[in-house]
Amino acid sequence: NAGVTQTPKFQVLKTGQSMTLQCAQDMNHNSMYWYRQDPGMGLRLIYYSASEGTTDKGEVPNGYNVSRLNKREFSLRLESAAPSQTSVYFCASSQYGGGRGSYEQYFGPGTRLTVT
Amino acid sequence: SQQGEEDPQALSIQEGENATMNCSYKTSINNLQWYRQNSGRGLVHLILIRSNEREKHSGRLRVTLDTSKKSSSLLITASRAADTASYFCATGSTGANNLFFGTGTRLTVIP
Repeated sequence: NAGVTQTPKFQVLKTGQSMTLQCAQDMNHNSMYWYRQDPGMGLRLIYYSASEGTTDKGEVPNGYNVSRLNKREFSLRLESAAPSQTSVYFCASSQYGGGRGSYEQYFGPGTRLTVT
Repeated sequence: SQQGEEDPQALSIQEGENATMNCSYKTSINNLQWYRQNSGRGLVHLILIRSNEREKHSGRLRVTLDTSKKSSSLLITASRAADTASYFCATGSTGANNLFFGTGTRLTVIP
């Protein structure tokens, strides 16, 4: 099993450009998450999907959109990138989330994004 | 914010010594988890302790939870150079839809 995979691993964008970060999991998990990690800030939740067909905002959703394409895939889109979105982005999945108690999360290797 | 706080922010020890890091949080929880992150990698789940548990062991890891003080500690015994990483606590609540992560403790184990 590959676990959680993310593409791309690195990306450089210019201000105003758009891009989509891809995430897939092969553990048949119901819940998926997108985080960003900035120095000294820990992980902050951008969006999550408690189950296939549902998505909800997290702590820092502004400037992002998500799509839960199917049970396996959860993508994050930056419509108009800004320098403040320079960060490392992690996708994660868990068996359950969404108010049913929190289970351990499994993380992808991350995407390092720089916006100039 | 429901985010936990780890203490200390950074810790440097000699190989073979024990490492203790602490986590404090603000809200009621139903579980607390610890994760490890090696430089440039994603987080890896280490251990989960539920709110009705006081102590849990996994190999060289020992986690305690004191819900009255809203705090937890992670003890790594007989540390190894390979334990060098950042360690994060994360809290889960029944009414919440996700985990809340702390800012992490950076552990350096000197060979």
